[in-house]
Amino acid sequence: QVQLVQSGAEVKKPGASVKVSCKASGYTFSGYYMHWVRQAPGQGLDWMGWINPNSGGTNSVEKFYGRVTMTRDTSISTAYLELSRLTFDDTAVYFCARGTLAVAANTEIDYWGQGTLVTVSS
Amino acid sequence: DVVMTQSPLSLPVTLGQPASISCRSSQSLVYSDGNTYLNWFQQRPGQSPRRLIYKVSNRDSGVPDRFSGSGSGTDFTLKISRVEAEDIGVYYCMQGTHWLAITFGQGTRLEIK
Repeated sequence: QVQLVQSGAEVKKPGASVKVSCKASGYTFSGYYMHWVRQAPGQGLDWMGWINPNSGGTNSVEKFYGRVTMTRDTSISTAYLELSRLTFDDTAVYFCARGTLAVAANTEIDYWGQGTLVTVSS
Repeated sequence: DVVMTQSPLSLPVTLGQPASISCRSSQSLVYSDGNTYLNWFQQRPGQSPRRLIYKVSNRDSGVPDRFSGSGSGTDFTLKISRVEAEDIGVYYCMQGTHWLAITFGQGTRLEIK
């Protein structure tokens, strides 16, 4: 069965960077896009962007330009989200979520990881 | 970006009664392939979101048939025919048609009266 297992909670200081991992199993990792979505405490879902694990191509929301880096290591079926220059507003649960087949338009999200809490605190 | 507007934002319901959530998009969600990529997700307290419905009206595997989705163009609805206690949580619509900027609705909190 499809599983996405994320790395553990992180506490970071303002200005630092954080890197969250998402290990996929139960399907061909490079065959499907991977999305990243975050959820601030008590708030809704905020889509951040996606990576095509096959090509390495990425797309992200304009507000994260220059701060977000999405990468992957196909040899271990793992996607990574790195967010730099953290502020208090980046405190949130970060989810990875599987997208569509990587040969088509990335129109879907189906399976989700368990989430990784990132707390930005001085 | 496409704005997804859900209503109501809070929905108190009596167990066994029906519930309905509306989702409206600021642009048509009909894609160039003729499909409409509108999903519904359920997020129970403390859990990750779970997809219930894809492409407007298709139930995911394991989703009870009391959940149904309908709509077209810019106007969509999620209906629960008879609410059960396990349905408590927050429901989100999501558009994937404009897939370079995927967007979610604000969420509708379903609670028991």
